[in-house]
Amino acid sequence: NAGVTQTPKFQVLKTGQSMTLQCAQDMNHNSMYWYQQDPGMGLRLIYYSASEGTTDKGEVPNGYNVSRLNKREFSLRLESAAPSQTSVYFCASSDGQGVRNTIYFGEGSWLTVV
Amino acid sequence: AQSVTQLGSHVSVSEGALVLLRCNYSSSVPPYLFWYVQYPNQGLQLLLKYTSAATLVKGINGFEAEFKKSETSFHLTKPSAHMSDAAEYFCAASRSGGYQKVTFGIGTKLQVIP
Repeated sequence: NAGVTQTPKFQVLKTGQSMTLQCAQDMNHNSMYWYQQDPGMGLRLIYYSASEGTTDKGEVPNGYNVSRLNKREFSLRLESAAPSQTSVYFCASSDGQGVRNTIYFGEGSWLTVV
Repeated sequence: AQSVTQLGSHVSVSEGALVLLRCNYSSSVPPYLFWYVQYPNQGLQLLLKYTSAATLVKGINGFEAEFKKSETSFHLTKPSAHMSDAAEYFCAASRSGGYQKVTFGIGTKLQVIP
C-alpha cells in the first residue's frame, strides 16, 4: 500500500528555473495538500485542494502554482525558482474536510535553489 | 487566530527515562489535536489524536497524551524512552474553515541517549 507518493525526492535548481513536483495518492482521498517545511517554522500550507477540480491558496502561495489533475494527483509548480524556495516540500492527503481526519504525508521532496 | 506552541525545540532523555514533550494550544474553542512523528528523511505520520471522546489518548509505540482544557495543553508522554523514539515530534491543531485547517507547532527534536 503506497499511500502518498511524491517525486522527485531530491532536486537542485538554478535560480530562475522551473520545475514541477508530482504527487499521487492511492487512498481515494478527496482532499490533498502541499506543505513547506523549514527549520523552526513547522509546516506551512502552500495550497490545498478540497476535492477534484478545486484548488485554493494556503498560507504561503506566492511563487507557486498547483494542478489537481484528477482525484489521485496534485502537482506543485515553481515557475521561476528563487533561493528562498529552498525547502522540504510535503504532499499530503485526507479523506474530506472533517477536522478529525488524519492527514497522510508523502516522504518529502528536498529542493535546493542555487 | 489558532496557534500551537511547543516548548523546547530540542529535548534529550536517557534511554529508559520518561519522555515528556509539551504542547499548548490557543483557541477560544478547543480544537481537535494531533501529535505527528517524523523520522529522519521521512514524512510525518500520525502518533495519536484527540477528538473529544476521551481526554487521555493512547497512540502507537507506547505514547499517550492527555487533553487538559483548563491548561490548554496536550502534552505527549512515554514512560520509558527507547532509542528508536529519536525523531521530531509535531503537535497540531485542526479546525474547520472551508477545509481542514491544520496549524502545526514548530516541532521538538527528541534525542535519546544510550
